[in-house]
Amino acid sequence: SAVISQKPSRDICQRGTSLTIQCQVDSQVTMMFWYRQQPGQSLTLIATANQGSEATYESGFVIDKFPISRPNLTFSTLTVSNMSPEDSSIYLCSVGADTGGTQYFGPGTRLLVL
Amino acid sequence: GENVEQHPSTLSVQEGDSAVIKCTYSDSASNYFPWYKQELGKRPQLIIDIRSNVGEKKDQRIAVTLNKTAKHFSLHITETQPEDSAVYFCAACRGGSYIPTFGRGTSLIVHP
Repeated sequence: SAVISQKPSRDICQRGTSLTIQCQVDSQVTMMFWYRQQPGQSLTLIATANQGSEATYESGFVIDKFPISRPNLTFSTLTVSNMSPEDSSIYLCSVGADTGGTQYFGPGTRLLVL
Repeated sequence: GENVEQHPSTLSVQEGDSAVIKCTYSDSASNYFPWYKQELGKRPQLIIDIRSNVGEKKDQRIAVTLNKTAKHFSLHITETQPEDSAVYFCAACRGGSYIPTFGRGTSLIVHP
């Protein structure tokens, strides 16, 4: 399976600021996703990062708050904008297997907003 | 859309005992069921999966069973060890979809 890295691994931010998280994959992949995992909770899909077009957002998530870029088949960024303490979470990128269904996760970015 | 229920939310066992985690799903079009293990501070990792054309799959101490009629599937861990302590997530995925629906997770604690 692909090797997935994320930067930063963790950050502490002030409310009202923005943070951009990077996800790098060591091989070209078709499907890339961004998830949020709030403390002690399950995995919630934020959006599908589409190469060359706008991301597809899940209900409850909007582009103004979580802009996503996918310039090529190995890289994506997620920005958490105008942060509040409620945005404190782990943010994970993932890649989907070509056969469908299986997700391989990056190591995650732990975000704390003060 | 799909709804996945997972039970129990917490499971505490003694080392060497067996552990069973159960999930139900609502969408009869779901045909792929992966299980993920997430150790504290780590990423979720796929440990076993099953497709709807089989009823059971085993990999050493772990096994998954699927009952399509009842729309439920289970993870079985035998001879549990302290390193099995983690949060386990079940998921269900429709045919043709790349996006699974996750259960809420089960925190398994194995006491030495």
